[in-house]
Amino acid sequence: QQQVKQSPQSLIVQKGGISIINCAYENTAFDYFPWYQQFPGKGPALLIAIRPDVSEKKEGRFTISFNKSAKQFSLHIMDSQPGDSATYFCAASASGGYQKVTFGTGTKLQVIP
Amino acid sequence: DAGVIQSPRHEVTEMGQEVTLRCKPISGHNSLFWYRQTMMRGLELLIYFNNNVPIDDSGMPEDRFSAKMPNASFSTLKIQPSEPRDSAVYFCASLKRSSGNTIYFGEGSWLTVV
Repeated sequence: QQQVKQSPQSLIVQKGGISIINCAYENTAFDYFPWYQQFPGKGPALLIAIRPDVSEKKEGRFTISFNKSAKQFSLHIMDSQPGDSATYFCAASASGGYQKVTFGTGTKLQVIP
Repeated sequence: DAGVIQSPRHEVTEMGQEVTLRCKPISGHNSLFWYRQTMMRGLELLIYFNNNVPIDDSGMPEDRFSAKMPNASFSTLKIQPSEPRDSAVYFCASLKRSSGNTIYFGEGSWLTVV
């Protein structure tokens, strides 16, 4: 029940295209859904996050879409750029308790010129 | 803020040797995590401390692994004896519970056991 399932495992997108990464969860107690971006040789860093009281959050070219009834959320990268090439992790956590964060398995995105 | 600081950044050691990885969390953060990242298994949570107390060590692979947090500003992850299958990137991360759920990662310790 603690799992967060992420797909696809890898993604190749043309420059200027839209990159879409999907995640699904089981635990209905989860109430915080961040996305982390990891460049080679670096640790993951928070990119954007959403709480379930909204269905969408946009920050620049990055948008999270959230479907509470389906227990799914996705990251959309508009106008993808080669500099967006990285590994993306979705995650989920619950406010109560000790806020253990459960990560997805990651998606390696490559944006080709 | 300096961020989460890990050392060493890279370590190559021989099988059977003891390995100690170190972490200094962000000042004021009260939760600390150790993660392991490999191509095969992705990002795995090894252990989680809250206010220096281990809360969840169910991800520690076996007794060869141990972690301590003697104070709020320092933690170690020790592998003794090390094996080639322990080769991975080990990340330390910290979180301030009172200000949301954002975990801040260090840059990782790249371990190679030969």
